[in-house]
Amino acid sequence: DADVTQTPRNRITKTGKRIMLECSQTKGHDRMYWYRQDPGLGLRLIYYSFDVKDINKGEISDGYSVSRQAQAKFSLSLESAIPNQTALYFCATSEPGSTDTQYFGPGTRLTVL
Amino acid sequence: AQKITQTQPGMFVQEKEAVTLDCTYDTSDQSYGLFWYKQPSSGEMIFLIYQGSYDEQNATEGRYSLNFQKARKSANLVISASQLGDSAMYFCAMREGRRASYAGGTSYGKLTFGQGTILTVHP
Repeated sequence: DADVTQTPRNRITKTGKRIMLECSQTKGHDRMYWYRQDPGLGLRLIYYSFDVKDINKGEISDGYSVSRQAQAKFSLSLESAIPNQTALYFCATSEPGSTDTQYFGPGTRLTVL
Repeated sequence: AQKITQTQPGMFVQEKEAVTLDCTYDTSDQSYGLFWYKQPSSGEMIFLIYQGSYDEQNATEGRYSLNFQKARKSANLVISASQLGDSAMYFCAMREGRRASYAGGTSYGKLTFGQGTILTVHP
């Protein structure tokens, strides 16, 4: 079984709808992250959480919110989806230490019509 | 200013040859980490290799090695003996700084990514 899972894997929705993307991990890591990937722009950080009580904005948090329900679960919400939020969304986890390497989930492809 | 620059949008290499993917970075921190990830056409992000700013030796992981030149602020990925399965997008990323005051953690953890290089391996 995958260490970091994301649901759904694909989603098509309409402008104005509320959408939740979910991430679960079995790696036992404290830190979790949400990124989006747009063609030609690499990955950009939306939100990150260093533990259940810690939530921080990334570079592109406008239009998004998150919830850290447990150490293993970190959800990303789009309160009112708009077409320019069409992207590939990744969840990642890491454990603080000498490398703090981030391990990514398989991604969720979101299309907002 | 771009913190991570990958100047090669696309690279081509013959199977079994070596290839170097370029990455330069910009930071004023003394402590940082550099990562390379592979993204095949299926979309997942696969961690390949890590280099710490204080590491004196270049990192190696199997066929992957990192040519770290600190004074030039470059961290190029070298793939030896290319295989068809190496065809993918490759991203360089940097983790900056330390937030020593955060209990239980010693770094910011956030990654900044470059725009990526598409590698195509020809048979």
